[in-house]
Amino acid sequence: GQSLEQPSEVTAVEGAIVQINCTYQTSGFYGLSWYQQHDGGAPTFLSYNGLDGLEETGRFSSFLSRSDSYGYLLLQELQMKDSASYFCAVHYGGSQGNLIFGKGTKLSVKP
Amino acid sequence: GAGVSQSPSNKVTEKGKDVELRCDPISGHTALYWYRQSLGQGLEFLIYFQGNSAPDKSGLPSDRFSAERTGGSVSTLTIQRTQQEDSAVYLCASSLARSGRTQYFGPGTRLTVL
Repeated sequence: GQSLEQPSEVTAVEGAIVQINCTYQTSGFYGLSWYQQHDGGAPTFLSYNGLDGLEETGRFSSFLSRSDSYGYLLLQELQMKDSASYFCAVHYGGSQGNLIFGKGTKLSVKP
Repeated sequence: GAGVSQSPSNKVTEKGKDVELRCDPISGHTALYWYRQSLGQGLEFLIYFQGNSAPDKSGLPSDRFSAERTGGSVSTLTIQRTQQEDSAVYLCASSLARSGRTQYFGPGTRLTVL
């Protein structure tokens, strides 16, 4: 089967850097995505890693190590609006379209 | 263009009743997904449609749940004889193709079964 582990909650202060880790066990791993969801809102796509290494998009970066079955989302220069839940999601089965989500990490950014 | 839309936004029903939830994907997106999200939980995959292929129903929790997609566009998720444990937010997502790495989510339907 497929499984993902990520911390349930993280707290950080405005302006800081926070890293949200995700470890996974899956067959036919294809890639790792990250989604952001504000309370009461829909999940929105943040980033995708198909290959090992770091992908940077503005203040957000995502990292993947296939050999370690591990990835992380790095958020820099935290802002209050970054308070949300962050989900890692594994693409598996040899297709980017098969996706299983982690339980999410609730990030609280404090002033 | 318009994003994924879902209706109704909220649905309150009595235990034992049937409900229908609707999803309008982004125009041109051939892949459509249904997920369920219970309060404070992750997204639970329910069913997946790709073009005219047979849907992947592997995530449906029981035979009370069914879904169809007409004309390769609009999809309806039907829950028969609703139970209290069916209470959740039902999210629909679409992507450009089966290989589409990005799923675009609708706002969801919040279902409450009394």
